[in-house]
Amino acid sequence: NAGVTQTPKFQVLKTGQSMTLQCAQDMNHNSMYWYRQDPGMGLRLIYYSASEGTTDKGEVPNGYNVSRLNKREFSLRLESAAPSQTSVYFCASRAGQAGYEQYFGPGTRLTVT
Amino acid sequence: KQEVTQIPAALSVPEGENLVLNCSFTDSAIYNLQWFRQDPGKGLTSLLLIQSSQREQTSGRLNASLDKSSGRSTLYIAASQPGDSATYLCAGDSGNTPLVFGKGTRLSVIA
Repeated sequence: NAGVTQTPKFQVLKTGQSMTLQCAQDMNHNSMYWYRQDPGMGLRLIYYSASEGTTDKGEVPNGYNVSRLNKREFSLRLESAAPSQTSVYFCASRAGQAGYEQYFGPGTRLTVT
Repeated sequence: KQEVTQIPAALSVPEGENLVLNCSFTDSAIYNLQWFRQDPGKGLTSLLLIQSSQREQTSGRLNASLDKSSGRSTLYIAASQPGDSATYLCAGDSGNTPLVFGKGTRLSVIA
C-alpha cells in the first residue's frame, strides 16, 4: 500500500519551459488536492478535485492547470514556468471533502531558473 | 476568508517537558480539524483528526482538542522526546470545503 505517490521528486526548469507533475493514490479516495509550500507562506491550495470528473480553483491557481485523469490520478501542469513557481509541491488525498483524514505525498521540489 | 494562526511560531524545550501548541481560526465555524507533523524535507504526516461530532482525540502521548465556540484548538504533547522535533501544522475545514492550513510551529526538543 503506497499511499500517495508523486513524480518527479526533483526538477529544474528554465523560464518558459513546461512540465507536468504526477500524483497517484491507491486508497480509493474521491478527493485530491495540489498545494505549494513556500518559506513564510505556509501551505497554499492550488487546485483540487472533490470527486472524479470535477476540478476547482484554490487560493493560488494562476499559471497552473490540472487534470483528474481517473479516480487514482491527479496531475498538475505548468504551461510556461516562471521563477515565482519555484516551490515544493505536495499532492494530497482524502476519502471525501467532509470529515476524512487527509494524506500527503512526499513532495516535488521544483526550481525555475 | 478563513485564516489560521499558530502560536508560537517556534518553541524549544528540554526533553521530558509537557507542552501545548495552539491554533486559532478567524471563522469559528470549524467542522473538522486535523493536526499534522512535518519533518525537514518531507511530506506531512497526519497525527490526529477531530471530526465534527468530536471535541478531542488522543493518540499515545498526543492529545488534541477543539473548542468550536471560539475556533481554537490545542495539541498537547506529554513527556516530550528529541524525536518529537518537527514542524506541527493544524488545518480545518467548514464542512464540504478543502482544509485551510496554519503556518506551523517549529518544535525543538533538546536532549
